[in-house]
Amino acid sequence: AQTVTQSQPEMSVQEAETVTLSCTYDTSENNYYLFWYKQPPSRQMILVIRQEAYKQQNATENRFSVNFQKAAKSFSLKISDSQLGDTAMYFCAFMNPDSGTYKYIFGTGTRLKVLA
Amino acid sequence: EAGVAQSPRYKIIEKRQSVAFWCNPISGHATLYWYQQILGQGPKLLIQFQNNGVVDDSQLPKDRFSAERLKGVDSTLKIQPAKLEDSAVYLCASSLQTGVPYEQYFGPGTRLTVT
Repeated sequence: AQTVTQSQPEMSVQEAETVTLSCTYDTSENNYYLFWYKQPPSRQMILVIRQEAYKQQNATENRFSVNFQKAAKSFSLKISDSQLGDTAMYFCAFMNPDSGTYKYIFGTGTRLKVLA
Repeated sequence: EAGVAQSPRYKIIEKRQSVAFWCNPISGHATLYWYQQILGQGPKLLIQFQNNGVVDDSQLPKDRFSAERLKGVDSTLKIQPAKLEDSAVYLCASSLQTGVPYEQYFGPGTRLTVT
């Protein structure tokens, strides 16, 4: 069974600084997708960034980028130029499209606080 | 476009009572998911629908939880009778199809407190 581990329950960063959130996963599958979702306080979860396992190039979305290390089964999220609006819970998620269900396996989340 | 709608946003009930949650997915989204998010944990899939058929309900406590998606649009999740450990946020999500880009769109959730 696949598992996703986020070992940092809480983190804080000064506004305009850079922060990296960690995620590791365990799977025997070769075809899968990894996601970072953001859940702001009292608001719905939204997709931040997605990585296909077959792509070697790390995904980037504006200030958000990932460091995908397939052999190490690591998928960290880097937030550059942190903004107050980045304060949220961040969840790492795994999905195997060959499973037939396409369900996500989520980590326990990292609570990020951006300090003014 | 309108997002995923859920109601109610908050619900407080006593143990052994029943409760129902409603979800309206994004128009045209064939796949609908119900997740349970217990405080301090990541969301856990309870049930997944493809149109009005169940794809995965392996983690749904079927002795007390039930869900339906009539006509492949709206969905209702019911708990009867509720237990203290059911206190959680219940998230509904939808996706266009079970294919790339596999993005799920989440509703605001229903926070359930069982006393």
